[in-house]
Amino acid sequence: GAGVSQSPSNKVTEKGKDVELRCDPISGHTALYWYRQSLGQGLEFLIYFQGNSAPDKSGLPSDRFSAERTGGSVSTLTIQRTQQEDSAVYLCASTETSGVYEQYFGPGTRLTVT
Amino acid sequence: SQQGEEDPQALSIQEGENATMNCSYKTSINNLQWYRQNSGRGLVHLILIRSNEREKHSGRLRVTLDTSKKSSSLLITASRAADTASYFCATDTGRRALTFGSGTRLQVQP
Repeated sequence: GAGVSQSPSNKVTEKGKDVELRCDPISGHTALYWYRQSLGQGLEFLIYFQGNSAPDKSGLPSDRFSAERTGGSVSTLTIQRTQQEDSAVYLCASTETSGVYEQYFGPGTRLTVT
Repeated sequence: SQQGEEDPQALSIQEGENATMNCSYKTSINNLQWYRQNSGRGLVHLILIRSNEREKHSGRLRVTLDTSKKSSSLLITASRAADTASYFCATDTGRRALTFGSGTRLQVQP
């Protein structure tokens, strides 16, 4: 079946603008994660959704970042008033169960803030 | 600091040689996973080793785990140019998300 998809694949925006990044998880996967990866670095956890439970937002770096997951499927990560330090690859992953097992990653969205 | 730290940060070898990457972590884990990333994009899961396991094999991959030293190693045998990628360890500490290290960049010269 289809894997995790993300859109857009690349996004260039001006400082101060808002951006929306989309993630379509694998069908039937109940858990969805957002990570951020700066150039040459590891992955930084941002937010986690599990079914209808309240999301774990402990990794969001500021209140400019928010995310929602509609109908337990598609998720949107929104960054308001973007800053240059927000430039990174934003990765989405999903897993089949609520346990932390193998994560399936999307190809990522490369965000560049000019 | 990172829960998982890979060593070395970069590794360059010739095709056919073995590549060994190490990962150290700080707190107790439920399991440890290795992922591969090509060209800074999506990660692909390679192998998972549980805290009560010491060694695991998958094709040309061999993973060891030493919980007393809080370390793991990933061995790729008979490397190929196509193995060129970044490799990350990720630990499951009971939090809801995995904690990733900063990765080892492997370059396999043909």
